[in-house]
Amino acid sequence: GEDVEQSLFLSVREGDSSVINCTYTDSSSTYLYWYKQEPGAGLQLLTYIFSNMDMKQDQRLTVLLNKKDKHLSLRIADTQTGDSAIYFCAETGIMDSNYQLIWGAGTKLIIKP
Amino acid sequence: DTGVSQDPRHKITKRGQNVTFRCDPISEHNRLYWYRQTLGQGPEFLTYFQNEAQLEKSRLLSDRFSAERPKGSFSTLEIQRTEQGDSAMYLCASRATLSGENTGELFFGEGSRLTVL
Repeated sequence: GEDVEQSLFLSVREGDSSVINCTYTDSSSTYLYWYKQEPGAGLQLLTYIFSNMDMKQDQRLTVLLNKKDKHLSLRIADTQTGDSAIYFCAETGIMDSNYQLIWGAGTKLIIKP
Repeated sequence: DTGVSQDPRHKITKRGQNVTFRCDPISEHNRLYWYRQTLGQGPEFLTYFQNEAQLEKSRLLSDRFSAERPKGSFSTLEIQRTEQGDSAMYLCASRATLSGENTGELFFGEGSRLTVL
């Protein structure tokens, strides 16, 4: 079946760049998303990329999509303590015919001072 | 509109009791989703509604679970005869129908945490 995989933890120093990786299996993915979950809070959409794009930049965030390898990454430049959270990768298939998002297990980003 | 709200935020109950969670979605969103999340996992899909119609239920949703959205606005998720394995965060999310004008972003509530003793 469809699957999304992520590393469980990433530790970076404050001010460095963080790169969170995700692999997926569904070749019909249309949208790929990055959601952020802070402790005790709901999930919040950080950014997304449409499958016909290979890069998207939004302020400190850069999303790279390698559709051939089914690999998605999220780069956070100049990582701050406020970026501490769990980051979830999710994908959905053909526009609106797949009502479900397929979620990864989340990557916990730990910031070292 | 302040976003998706869920009530209660926390519920502690004894095994065998029934619990009900409520979700108020963003008012113009016609799709409403229930997910369950346990520690170290991503959200697991339970069920979703388009307006008042429940269009799909996950195999995870046993007969003890029932969800309703009677008027196509708020939704309730009831768990009967709770078991310790039901302990989790129950997340509600809503979105507009996916189209060229939107990205299908799901807007999540803060969740209802259930602890079954």
